[in-house]
Amino acid sequence: DTGVSQDPRHKITKRGQNVTFRCDPISEHNRLYWYRQTLGQGPEFLTYFQNEAQLEKSRLLSDRFSAERPKGSFSTLEIQRTEQGDSAMYLCASTKGIDRSYGYTFGSGTRLTVV
Amino acid sequence: DQQVKQNSPSLSVQEGRISILNCDYTNSMFDYFLWYKKYPAEGPTFLISISSIKDKNEDGRFTVFLNKSAKHLSLHIVPSQPGDSAVYFCAASVGPPPNAGKSTFGDGTTLTVKP
Repeated sequence: DTGVSQDPRHKITKRGQNVTFRCDPISEHNRLYWYRQTLGQGPEFLTYFQNEAQLEKSRLLSDRFSAERPKGSFSTLEIQRTEQGDSAMYLCASTKGIDRSYGYTFGSGTRLTVV
Repeated sequence: DQQVKQNSPSLSVQEGRISILNCDYTNSMFDYFLWYKKYPAEGPTFLISISSIKDKNEDGRFTVFLNKSAKHLSLHIVPSQPGDSAVYFCAASVGPPPNAGKSTFGDGTTLTVKP
């Protein structure tokens, strides 16, 4: 499988619990992005990594959110003390370098439901 | 304030005809634009992009037109095929990749191509 993998596909959690999602990018892709998508809307950028360095975080990313990409391979997105407003699809995408001919490959997402 | 707008939530066309999907943006700093296609239960798939130094870019059946003065872009699909039925997202960024990974997305247009 040469695509972007996200795990789990679905997560139901109780308000106040912590959750962690994983993204495995395409192996040669050095840039990795996280997005959040709510129903009926387009994806919203959250944060991105170049290799293991987290280069930018959106203002959407509250202090309860943290992301890591150890060793520049897979990435994790953790949400602490989840709230009902965190219910959304969390998407990961990766790309190789800055060549304009390369697009962004998205995973299928992790759907989070906070009850 | 939504900076990227896709004003048509849905579009239906006959197989073989042209599909035209529209997108408007308000931020004059945007200078790189992308279109993505999304099937249910999958992540978005990159289709085509255009830089503001161009007004047209073609890739097979897909052509994107950019009208900078009107802050408007459109995606033309000719001829339309039933497999093109999906949600299409327009996205805009300040700068090309890697900034294009931090794009602002529209809310999408659902295209249905009838056999």
